[in-house]
Amino acid sequence: GAGVSQTPSNKVTEKGKYVELRCDPISGHTALYWYRQSLGQGPEFLIYFQGTGAADDSGLPNDRFFAVRPEGSVSTLKIQRTERGDSAVYLCASSLRPGSGRAASYNEQFFGPGTRLTVL
Amino acid sequence: AQKITQTQPGMFVQEKEAVTLDCTYDTSDPSYGLFWYKQPSSGEMIFLIYQGSYDQQNATEGRYSLNFQKARKSANLVISASQLGDSAMYFCAMRDTFSGGSNYKLTFGKGTLLTVNP
Repeated sequence: GAGVSQTPSNKVTEKGKYVELRCDPISGHTALYWYRQSLGQGPEFLIYFQGTGAADDSGLPNDRFFAVRPEGSVSTLKIQRTERGDSAVYLCASSLRPGSGRAASYNEQFFGPGTRLTVL
Repeated sequence: AQKITQTQPGMFVQEKEAVTLDCTYDTSDPSYGLFWYKQPSSGEMIFLIYQGSYDQQNATEGRYSLNFQKARKSANLVISASQLGDSAMYFCAMRDTFSGGSNYKLTFGKGTLLTVNP
């Protein structure tokens, strides 16, 4: 079956502009996560959705960042007034459910290929 | 707060040999899960192996095995019979608690770049 897809694969924008990054999770996955990976670092958690609602947005760096998942499937990460420090790869992941249980199949997060955002 | 430490920025191994990638973690939660992901140059994170904190045996998946030493809080990845295609970044990650609360987000280490030489 199809994996997690993210569009665009690359986005170049100018400082101060608004951008939207899209994530299409695996069909049937109720949990969706956004991570940000800066150069030379591991991914860092941004926000987690269970269904349509953001269950935890504690990783969003500031109020310029916002994400939605209106129908419980596709999610959009929105960044206002972009800054050069926002340049990174934005990764989306999905899973069957948030992580209860011990079986690996319930815990595994499937990642998309990421969107590389460059703010000039 | 959880923390993952990967002390090896880069590792080299000869093709067909085994290699161990180190990972130590810190958490106050008694229930947690440990993951290893591979990230090739294409950028996608590929799940390799999982170990639950209460699992009695070390996890194995094909050529991958996890050397889990709970008392030392280490979860090293062992890759046997290395192949050229194993060259990639490898990330150790942790998720704490199965019983509720923050039982979903992964905390990642900084990664180890593995290069397999022919």
